[in-house]
Amino acid sequence: EDQVTQSPEALRLQEGESSSLNCSYTVSGLRGLFWYRQDPGKGPEFLFTLYSAGEEKEKERLKATLTKKESFLHITAPKPEDSATYLCAVQARGGSYIPTFGRGTSLIVHP
Amino acid sequence: GAGVSQSPSNKVTEKGKDVELRCDPISGHTALYWYRQSLGQGLEFLIYFQGNSAPDKSGLPSDRFSAERTGGSVSTLTIQRTQQEDSAVYLCASSPSRRGPGTDTQYFGPGTRLTVL
Repeated sequence: EDQVTQSPEALRLQEGESSSLNCSYTVSGLRGLFWYRQDPGKGPEFLFTLYSAGEEKEKERLKATLTKKESFLHITAPKPEDSATYLCAVQARGGSYIPTFGRGTSLIVHP
Repeated sequence: GAGVSQSPSNKVTEKGKDVELRCDPISGHTALYWYRQSLGQGLEFLIYFQGNSAPDKSGLPSDRFSAERTGGSVSTLTIQRTQQEDSAVYLCASSPSRRGPGTDTQYFGPGTRLTVL
């Protein structure tokens, strides 16, 4: 059974204080790992897809990395508008294409 | 272009009533997913439609839940005889295709918040 564990559950940062969110996964052959951002009262918004270990993707202050067991979402010099819940999901090769989601990390960035 | 839309945005109903939730996916997207998100919980998969294939209903929590997708586009999630534990945000997502890199990215709608009194 595919499993995704995100840590920490909640993170409070001061503006400008860089940090990383973790997504540990167990999957029978990784097809893709997805990061989403979810603001209160809204649906998740796609950020990145990573397909193979060693791959990295960046978008503004966010950088996602992938190993064979986990992914990190690095946030550099965060701003209050980066406050949101960040969700990680994995999709396995073959069989069902239904992704498995983690419970998310709630990030609050204080000004 | 237009994203995924869902209606209604909020639904308050009484225990025992039936409700219908609607999802309009992005035009041309062949895959459609329904999820349920309860407070403090992750996304719970409910049902998956892919093109003209039979839907994957493995996530439906009980036979009170059903879903249809008409013409490969609009989908309706129906909950019969609603219970208080059905209260949650119901999210719909669509993706372009199951084939090829980058085509599995899911685009989510804003959700329908269901409250069962």
